[in-house]
Amino acid sequence: DTEVTQTPKHLVMGMTNKKSLKCEQHMGHRAMYWYKQKAKKPPELMFVYSYEKLSINESVPSRFSPECPNSSLLNLHLHALQPEDSALYLCASSPLQGINYGYTFGSGTRLTVV
Amino acid sequence: AQSVTQLGSHVSVSEGALVLLRCNYSSSVPPYLFWYVQYPNQGLQLLLKYTTGATLVKGINGFEAEFKKSETSFHLTKPSAHMSDAAEYFCAVKDGYNKLIFGAGTRLAVHP
Repeated sequence: DTEVTQTPKHLVMGMTNKKSLKCEQHMGHRAMYWYKQKAKKPPELMFVYSYEKLSINESVPSRFSPECPNSSLLNLHLHALQPEDSALYLCASSPLQGINYGYTFGSGTRLTVV
Repeated sequence: AQSVTQLGSHVSVSEGALVLLRCNYSSSVPPYLFWYVQYPNQGLQLLLKYTTGATLVKGINGFEAEFKKSETSFHLTKPSAHMSDAAEYFCAVKDGYNKLIFGAGTRLAVHP
């Protein structure tokens, strides 16, 4: 299995809702990442998990809460989002948080906040 | 901080023509560089990565990139464009904290 699977593919939520994005990989990778991509822009790093522990938070607002329950699963909990948070949310993984490893990306969750 | 600059936000070529997408890096030490492709409504797929010491790196789908230290460049090429190559292409670099940082992207259009 060489894939990163993200669910759901599309999500529409209100500003008072709580929702979660899910990411799963079975490649034995020990580093996992969340990226946010606005339309016509490059992906921007949000969080890095290494060995199931949060190692990097790129000053992301607290309305985004990541969780890594085990080495295969990464969640992003969403609460009280704003319309400007609408974007494509990409999950990625790599063998380790190492210099020469490329990342394997999922196909993303397209989030719309109304 | 390490960064990459992609010259040309849009590139248009005819089918069968050479594809050249430009990327320059900022580091004074050998960087770790990558090229990714993103098709519409999809995630990113790794095309190729630079390994220290190599000058020409071959990737998937017939793409290759040449590392030129003297020009701080890592341009992506393909000898003959196919319609299926139309996509967004991102050059990326690992920074000092091993974070993958992307360039602004180049949208490639291929015309019949």
